[in-house]
Order: sequence, then C-alpha cells, then structure tokens
Amino acid sequence: GAVVSQHPSRVICKSGTSVKIECRSLDFQATTMFWYRQFPKQSLMLMATSNEGSKATYEQGVEKDKFLINHASLTLSTLTVTSAHPEDSSFYICSANSYSGNTIYFGEGSWLTVV
Amino acid sequence: DAKTTQPPSMDCAEGRAANLPCNHSTISGNEYVYWYRQIHSQGPQYIIHGLKNNETNEMASLIITEDRKSSTLILPHATLRDTAVYYCIVRVALKTSYDKVIFGPGTSLSVIP
Repeated sequence: GAVVSQHPSRVICKSGTSVKIECRSLDFQATTMFWYRQFPKQSLMLMATSNEGSKATYEQGVEKDKFLINHASLTLSTLTVTSAHPEDSSFYICSANSYSGNTIYFGEGSWLTVV
Repeated sequence: DAKTTQPPSMDCAEGRAANLPCNHSTISGNEYVYWYRQIHSQGPQYIIHGLKNNETNEMASLIITEDRKSSTLILPHATLRDTAVYYCIVRVALKTSYDKVIFGPGTSLSVIP
C-alpha cells in the first residue's frame, strides 16, 4: 500500500542553526503534502499545506519565514526549520493524500531537539 | 469538516473488545468517518473509514448509526499493543488532493493486562 516516509527520524541541532526534514511518498505521487507538529501529550497541529510547484499555504499563527517548505517534485516535500530555538523542539509529521485508497497516509514522524 | 467529540480516555482489559465512541452530530451527507490511531512517538496509522454502512477489516469494525450522527470503533480483542490515542475524523471524500485533516484531541485508550 501507499507509504509516506520521513527523514531523519531524530535530529539534534544547535540553537540558531537550520535543520531540514524530508517527506517522501514512496509509491504514489502527491501533489499536496501536509506538515504537522505535535508537542508532548497534545494532538497534532496542522502547520502548512505543501503544494507541488507553488508556494505553501500556512495555517494562522505559523511563521512562514521560520518554517520553510519546498515541494519541488511529486514525491518530495521538505520542511526547513530556520534559526532553530529550543521552543521549536517538537515532533514533526508529514502526510499525503492518496486518491486510490481515498485516505491519508502519515510519515513516521521526526523528532527535533534544539539544544 | 464536521466537528467530532470523543471521550478523552478509556480503559479496556486485554482480550476484551474495546468500543470507542465518536459523536459527529453535524456530519454532512457526503462526509466520511475516518479512524486513525497514534502509538506513542509514531505517526498516525490509518484504521478504517466508512460512509453509512458498517465496515470491517483486519484491524477493526466501524459501526455508524443510521442517522450518521455517531459511530463506534470496535477492536474485537484488544491487546497491549493497541494502547494508543485514537482519532475520529469526519471529512469529505478526496475530491482534491489538498483536502486537509484537522485533528481533535482523540481518545487515549489504555489496554490493561
């Protein structure tokens, strides 16, 4: 079945640096992918919608200059956390819609720790 | 998309059926009921979805009331590995690839030995 893969699964970076997280649809093309973040003991919060070949759409309150999203191909979207701070430490999850199964598939998630 | 309400937490004895309710009283005629679960530190996992008929797969059964205002996810023989947060989501079918999904708080299911 359809699979969405994220990389890296865990990353530690220093405060002030940038870190990139990749999201790939492995056996289907995804013109749209979605990025979520999740803090401990909380639900997933939608950050932005990543559109292939065009600008991402950000949810209210999400800084587009801090969370850069690039969707350069039909199988890859990237989220770059720029000038990371400890409060950006979180679990980041991507998802993509699959027409064939009329459902949404999620990546395994990426743990970001900013020290 | 219609809003859903779920109990924040439930317990279930191992080997027994786990019945997780979801209320979606404002559901529209073209909206499906989806269930996902999230085991700690993993991405959400698809379980099942349905429109108005009851559905069953290898993981679970989905019972949707006749008026479609509520549904129940049934895990027939819960195991310790079923301990997770379960999310009930109501949304239209995928007419376009940019139909986004908004998560509520879900139900934290604890399966007890």
